[in-house]
Amino acid sequence: DQQVKQNSPSLSVQEGRISILNCDYTNSMFDYFLWYKKYPAEGPTFLISISSIKDKNEDGRFTVFLNKSAKHLSLHIVPSQPGDSAVYFCAASAGGSQGNLIFGKGTKLSVKP
Amino acid sequence: NAGVMQNPRHLVRRRGQEARLRCSPVKGHSHVYWYRQLPEEGLKFMVYLQKENIIDESGMPKERFSAEFPKEGPSILRIQQVVRGDSAAYFCASSPVRASEKLFFGSGTQLSVL
Repeated sequence: DQQVKQNSPSLSVQEGRISILNCDYTNSMFDYFLWYKKYPAEGPTFLISISSIKDKNEDGRFTVFLNKSAKHLSLHIVPSQPGDSAVYFCAASAGGSQGNLIFGKGTKLSVKP
Repeated sequence: NAGVMQNPRHLVRRRGQEARLRCSPVKGHSHVYWYRQLPEEGLKFMVYLQKENIIDESGMPKERFSAEFPKEGPSILRIQQVVRGDSAAYFCASSPVRASEKLFFGSGTQLSVL
């Protein structure tokens, strides 16, 4: 039973356009959500996060939106750049989880020049 | 300013052998986490350690797997009597404070069991 789901294994976007990566979760106890980016042969690197008390967090070209009623979050990248091509993982944690992040399976983003 | 260092990057073992994976956290970080990624899957939490203590091992298989983070030296994930199903990428992460969600990951060790 997957608690964090990324239903799109891949996404292809033209450079300069917006990339939207989606993530759904089932556990209502999750109160903190993160996005990690992973290049081949490297470990995941933290990108952006959001607490459940917020519905939006923005950092430069990256914005994460949280819809608690729908148990859905999304990552928007605008404008998309070829260097953004990577696998993006959505992750969630519940209060007091002590570093136990629940990851989705990832979405591979390809940004074409 | 080294990040999390894992070695080896690739490890090949035959069934029944032991695998030892090492992780040196970011300098100053005393909290270490091990995650495993099976092919086409997301990362799965295994264990959380602080210096000399196992804080949460709820994701560790009950048999053959063990982890330690001694006072001196790297954290070690040990897999005894490996089986083909242990083949995966094993990632170590560290954080500066307890139970931080924002983790710093190493590049991983790819374990292949023949």
